[in-house]
Amino acid sequence: EPEVTQTPSHQVTQMGQEVILRCVPISNHLYFYWYRQILGQKVEFLVSFYNNEISEKSEIFDDQFSVERPDGSNFTLKIRSTKLEDSAMYFCASSVGGIRTDTQYFGPGTRLTVL
Amino acid sequence: QKEVEQNSGPLSVPEGAIASLNCTYSDRGSQSFFWYRQYSGKSPELIMFIYSNGDKEDGRFTAQLNKASQYVSLLIRDSQPSDSATYLCAVILEYGNKLVFGAGTILRVKS
Repeated sequence: EPEVTQTPSHQVTQMGQEVILRCVPISNHLYFYWYRQILGQKVEFLVSFYNNEISEKSEIFDDQFSVERPDGSNFTLKIRSTKLEDSAMYFCASSVGGIRTDTQYFGPGTRLTVL
Repeated sequence: QKEVEQNSGPLSVPEGAIASLNCTYSDRGSQSFFWYRQYSGKSPELIMFIYSNGDKEDGRFTAQLNKASQYVSLLIRDSQPSDSATYLCAVILEYGNKLVFGAGTILRVKS
């Protein structure tokens, strides 16, 4: 069964450094998402992406965040200058389309630790 | 702020019993409702989705939706120790396609 994959599984970085989290969505899916979950807290939406454009973003997704689909398979989240409070699990998800009844399938996540 | 509320639990049930998990949401125009299961340190895994008022059954799981009361529930029949996890209720609001998650209910099934 096709699945969303993410690399790395765990990333440790120093505060102020840039990190890039990578995702390979399910191959026939057209909508891609990033969510994050701070330890012990809710899963929170960051951004959705379709047709090489951001379709929706949350107030968390400020100027230090960016997303890109650099080729036909990868979808990346870049955090330009990491802060301690960026430490969280970051989940990539994808769906076939963007209509509200489409199921979003989640990858295994990247645990980001900012020291 | 559009919210999804869940009782954090833990909800403890004996093996073989029915577990009942509840969720309320504030956006009356919400269209789609999802239940995800999350094991500790893992990603959300879809269990069921429901769009229409009433019940929807899939194996041991039944989702119930009442849009008038803004209430969605998940019943797990014949609960097994492997069902022990956090159950996340998620809603897609009237506008947009992002999932808004509740904080989750911890379920513990005792053998």
